[in-house]
Amino acid sequence: AQSVTQLDSHVSVSEGTPVLLRCNYSSSYSPSLFWYVQHPNKGLQLLLKYTSAATLVKGINGFEAEFKKSETSFHLTKPSAHMSDAAEYFCVVPENNDMRFGAGTRLTVKP
Amino acid sequence: ETGVTQTPRHLVMGMTNKKSLKCEQHLGHNAMYWYKQSAKKPLELMFVYSLEERVENNSVPSRFSPECPNSSHLFLHLHTLQPEDSALYLCASSQDPSSGELFFGEGSRLTVL
Repeated sequence: AQSVTQLDSHVSVSEGTPVLLRCNYSSSYSPSLFWYVQHPNKGLQLLLKYTSAATLVKGINGFEAEFKKSETSFHLTKPSAHMSDAAEYFCVVPENNDMRFGAGTRLTVKP
Repeated sequence: ETGVTQTPRHLVMGMTNKKSLKCEQHLGHNAMYWYKQSAKKPLELMFVYSLEERVENNSVPSRFSPECPNSSHLFLHLHTLQPEDSALYLCASSQDPSSGELFFGEGSRLTVL
């Protein structure tokens, strides 16, 4: 079975500084991987997805993620945080008809 | 407008009540899902419908009963719930269940007293 582990339950950064949200996956092959974002009182929205076409994936709102097979990682980054980035972020791997969600990382952005 | 609309957004019910959650998608997708989001737990898939037929039921208690009358509508009928069923219930749709790309509604916040 495939799974993902988000290494930090909470990350706090200052506005304008880089963001790093960490995700490791467990799979015997290169899976598809996704990052979703959930703003307060909202549903989840797809940020970006990796499907083996390119290891560096660019998403919406300036986010990107790099697939590293040697490290079984798919960390999410952004060069400069904005206040509107404050939200919960989920790393996700498909499994049959299901999507295995990580536990989530809450991003706080300080002024 | 997310393309997936859920009603009601908030619901408070007693353990003996019967209520329903509604989801409607305007995206022309073929698959619809119910997820449960509880505090400090990963999202849990409850039901998947593809082309109006249920393809996944993750051992959900029978007090939750889904209904998918057509590809645009999905219901979750609730009866004799427990306080631990209080959660955010999220509906999602996708063009293809194997794509992994889901479009979510804003959720229905359920509180069971």
